[in-house]
Amino acid sequence: GAGVSQSPRYKVAKRGQDVALRCDPISGHVSLFWYQQALGQGPEFLTYFQNEAQLDKSGLPSDRFFAERPEGSVSTLKIQRTQQEDSAVYLCASSFAPLYEQYFGPGTRLTVT
Amino acid sequence: LAKTTQPISMDSYEGQEVNITCSHNNIATNDYITWYQQFPSQGPRFIIQGYKTKVTNEVASLFIPADRKSSTLSLPRVSLSDTAVYYCLVDNNAGNMLTFGGGTRLMVKP
Repeated sequence: GAGVSQSPRYKVAKRGQDVALRCDPISGHVSLFWYQQALGQGPEFLTYFQNEAQLDKSGLPSDRFFAERPEGSVSTLKIQRTQQEDSAVYLCASSFAPLYEQYFGPGTRLTVT
Repeated sequence: LAKTTQPISMDSYEGQEVNITCSHNNIATNDYITWYQQFPSQGPRFIIQGYKTKVTNEVASLFIPADRKSSTLSLPRVSLSDTAVYYCLVDNNAGNMLTFGGGTRLMVKP
């Protein structure tokens, strides 16, 4: 594709609901990243995949957050039992290979009510 | 990772040159300096990267003094469309994650 796409662009969830956020990276990109961006702040790293392997998940804030990339392309970030503090924009980025430039998607804005 | 400090916000007018300075007193020998731009409702976008002295591309220039404890992003003749948040990152490119600070919110006025 032309760029990284994410869906949905906006998601409203009631506290306690589970949500799944999708990322379609640029075709052929090996590396995939998830970031969380709170209102008025810079993005913060959540997790990193190289192909289907999740090599770093040190940024995931709790065990309610889970990410997968089973076939090394599309990735899903799942948040279980959402809390109000989970409200943020979730950004996905991909790069051709490790240490190459990261290209970001437009993000999914999650609002937990 | 070196911590960066940059102004929270800046105002400018169309046609002016804008300089945004970032302090990174603890920068390490292997660290590079990278600037990203983020428009509302979009993800960050790479602008420019440098190690020392001056780097210029079609979008901006990056000035880095000899001690590398600061850097200045220069945007020539800004337009309204340059209104965005600009992030300064310092990293040795050995890891994979990007570490963003708070950024500088640039507002360009007509």
